[in-house]
Amino acid sequence: EVQLVQSGAEVKKPGESLKISCKGSGYSFTTSWIAWVRQMPGKGLEWMGIIYPGDSDTRYSPSFQGQVTISSDKSINTAYLQWSSLRASDSAMYYCARQVVAATLLFDSWGQGTRVTVSS
Amino acid sequence: QSALTQPASVSGSPGQSTTISCSGTNSHVGSYYLVSWYQQHPGNGPKLIIYDVNKRPSGVSDRFSGSKSGDTASLTISGLQAEDEADYYCCSYADISTFHVIFGGGTKLTVL
Repeated sequence: EVQLVQSGAEVKKPGESLKISCKGSGYSFTTSWIAWVRQMPGKGLEWMGIIYPGDSDTRYSPSFQGQVTISSDKSINTAYLQWSSLRASDSAMYYCARQVVAATLLFDSWGQGTRVTVSS
Repeated sequence: QSALTQPASVSGSPGQSTTISCSGTNSHVGSYYLVSWYQQHPGNGPKLIIYDVNKRPSGVSDRFSGSKSGDTASLTISGLQAEDEADYYCCSYADISTFHVIFGGGTKLTVL
């Protein structure tokens, strides 16, 4: 069974850094793309970017380029989303999801979400 | 890129059918059969219910069906049940060369 398990909720202050994680199991982590999706309170889904852990090929939505960093550590089947300086507007739920792209487009497995709260 | 356009809300009575549309001119909705749909209940993560416009993953009820005409994709839910009350999101590629995905704004389905 494909599983993505995300790190727990975070409460941070503006200006602080943060790195959240997403650990995959039950499939070949290195040959599947992992995407990060933001959902602000009461709002819809926003695709942030994607990483291929096999070679760390990373692509970003123009809306998030330069705002976050997506990375992975294939030795521990884990993908990361990080901020160097958080803002209140980064408060949201963040999901990782396996994005299947081979002749299709679907997110077939989702993490449980990591809630990030940024407040002074 | 702007989100794909979905109605903010739809409603229907138990047993009826309802359709949610998803349109986008700056996406690949019209160019490829690469539209998927997700159901999200309050407090939960999204769940894949339709992919490649009209395919259902194993375990998804056949009351859910998808279609596409031109730049507009549609999700139809037949035989509405109380458990169908949720938010629904479509998605497609904004840029297939970079795997950049764009989601619809979401539609709240209310089962009356």
